[in-house]
Amino acid sequence: GAGVSQTPSNKVTEKGKYVELRCDPISGHTALYWYRQSLGQGPEFLIYFQGTGAADDSGLPNDRFFAVRPEGSVSTLKIQRTERGDSAVYLCASSLGRGSYNEQFFGPGTRLTVL
Amino acid sequence: EDQVTQSPEALRLQEGESSSLNCSYTVSGLRGLFWYRQDPGKGPEFLFTLYSAGEEKEKERLKATLTKKESFLHITAPKPEDSATYLCAVQAILGFQKLVFGTGTRLLVSP
Repeated sequence: GAGVSQTPSNKVTEKGKYVELRCDPISGHTALYWYRQSLGQGPEFLIYFQGTGAADDSGLPNDRFFAVRPEGSVSTLKIQRTERGDSAVYLCASSLGRGSYNEQFFGPGTRLTVL
Repeated sequence: EDQVTQSPEALRLQEGESSSLNCSYTVSGLRGLFWYRQDPGKGPEFLFTLYSAGEEKEKERLKATLTKKESFLHITAPKPEDSATYLCAVQAILGFQKLVFGTGTRLLVSP
């Protein structure tokens, strides 16, 4: 079946602009996660949705970052007033949900470059 | 604070030369330890989940093992197509569902 998809694959923007990154999870997966990966580093957790609600947003670096998942499927990560330090690959993952067998499956990522 | 340390940072092997990658962790109650493979420009690809000390899982040339303090990813007779970055992550019982990743081991297998 189809995996996690993310659009766009690449996004170049200017400092101060607003960007939206989209994630389409695996069908039937109720849990959705956003991570950020800088060059040479492992993915860093940003936010976790269970259904429509953000169950854990402790990884969002500041209030310029916001994510929504209004219908419990597609999610959008929104970044306001982008800064050069926001440049990274933004990864989305999904899983079946709570429980022991909750492996997270990742999408290909969106590479964000802030000039 | 939950933490994962992977070693070595990079490893170069000849085809057929077996070796092991290490993942040391500290976590406030382990729910699961995860291994992923990541190719350049792609998202991490799930390999294994280990839940308790003593558990082992195998897939082709890879075998993952778990103790109370660390996990090993053993690669037997590697091939060039095994070249990738291997990421280890832990999930804490009290950490909701988030994964805490190490920085990875970059493996290069030469023919």
